[in-house]
Amino acid sequence: EVVLTQSPGTLSLSPGEGATLSCRASQSISSSFLAWYQQKPGQTPRLLIYDTSSRASDIPDRFTGSGSGTDFTLTINRLEPEDFAVYYCQQYATSLYTFGQGTKLEIK
Amino acid sequence: VQLVQSGSEVKKPGASVTVSCKPSTNTFINYDFAWVRQAPGQGLEWMGWITSHNGNANYARKLQGRVSLTTDTSMATAYMELRSLTSDDTAVYYCARLQGGWLDPWGQGTLVTVSS
Repeated sequence: EVVLTQSPGTLSLSPGEGATLSCRASQSISSSFLAWYQQKPGQTPRLLIYDTSSRASDIPDRFTGSGSGTDFTLTINRLEPEDFAVYYCQQYATSLYTFGQGTKLEIK
Repeated sequence: VQLVQSGSEVKKPGASVTVSCKPSTNTFINYDFAWVRQAPGQGLEWMGWITSHNGNANYARKLQGRVSLTTDTSMATAYMELRSLTSDDTAVYYCARLQGGWLDPWGQGTLVTVSS
């Protein structure tokens, strides 16, 4: 089973700043089979990025995914108030899919 | 397209629960489904996936033997059954469409509470 470790656990930033969220895999993820989700309190998770760097429908271009192998990054430019949420990465390179434990992005 | 799940459930330890998930369109036959759960205040936990066209399913190791994913093409509905419930199974259970490995869209979630 591929273990995904996200860091930091909590990130405190101000609106307008940029955020960098990390997702590290316990083994290499082939073909960049990694997705990112956003979850706000009391809401359903929302797909942001799939295949490491492809933005889902209606996702603003301030969200960018990158990475390969075992190290993946979600970058959020110019944080908006609605971006403060919990972010999860998910791998689908093996038949046993897994999620990271999440990074909470909070307002400083 | 929306995924509509069944309502909240309260179960006693040792019981079983079944949660349903129905797409709002009639393209069910083309859907693969994933199930994910989230315990209170915790992160997302992968449970498994199932294909609608042939019923092949894959389960998380932790839940092997206790969980069953099925689909009913005549009812255009997917189901998740979890057996031998304990308090650790108290969570919101989500279905989602599995597209190439990623999940989109998600159902609204179903709260399952296990309590004596």
